[in-house]
Amino acid sequence: KAGVTQTPRYLIKTRGQQVTLSCSPISGHRSVSWYQQTPGQGLQFLFEYFSETQRNKGNFPGRFSGRQFSNSRSEMNVSTLELGDSALYLCASSWGTGGMNTEAFFGQGTRLTVV
Amino acid sequence: SQQGEEDPQALSIQEGENATMNCSYKTSINNLQWYRQNSGRGLVHLILIRSNEREKHSGRLRVTLDTSKKSSSLLITASRAADTASYFCATDVKAGGTSYGKLTFGQGTILTVHP
Repeated sequence: KAGVTQTPRYLIKTRGQQVTLSCSPISGHRSVSWYQQTPGQGLQFLFEYFSETQRNKGNFPGRFSGRQFSNSRSEMNVSTLELGDSALYLCASSWGTGGMNTEAFFGQGTRLTVV
Repeated sequence: SQQGEEDPQALSIQEGENATMNCSYKTSINNLQWYRQNSGRGLVHLILIRSNEREKHSGRLRVTLDTSKKSSSLLITASRAADTASYFCATDVKAGGTSYGKLTFGQGTILTVHP
């Protein structure tokens, strides 16, 4: 069974540009969550999608957005990149039904560097 | 904000010794999950313990949960050099059904196992 796949693995962008990251969840999983990991702030929740609907959102500016497709694959977009957006972006896949038994499985991440 | 606090922040041991990491959290949870991360790569899911469980085992891992103290511990027995990594606890917060997809992470414990 394939795991969570994130592409690309590495990205270098210039300030002011925009970037799109992709995440393919485990087959059958309908929930995809996105996280940002930085040395200073640790792992922070960006947003979650379930059946193409955003159900939950973290405390990030509107420059961070996402979407989910009918096959559960998800993309996140960051517009007008800032140096502080340099981070490891991780996506997590789960069944999405919530409750005590919901395990979340992560991809390898996309390392974004903004110069 | 980080719900979880982990201690110690860093732990250095010799191969064969046991490693214990602790995690505290602030609010009611559905479950608590432990993850391992090697050198800024993706998070590997280790174990999930439900809020109605007190102890769980998986191979060399033993996790305990004390909901009255809002704390958990991860014990790795007979550590190996390959266990060298950062370990994170993550809570699925029980908050009126709005926690979908959102795991709240601690800052992590950096474990170094010397051969």
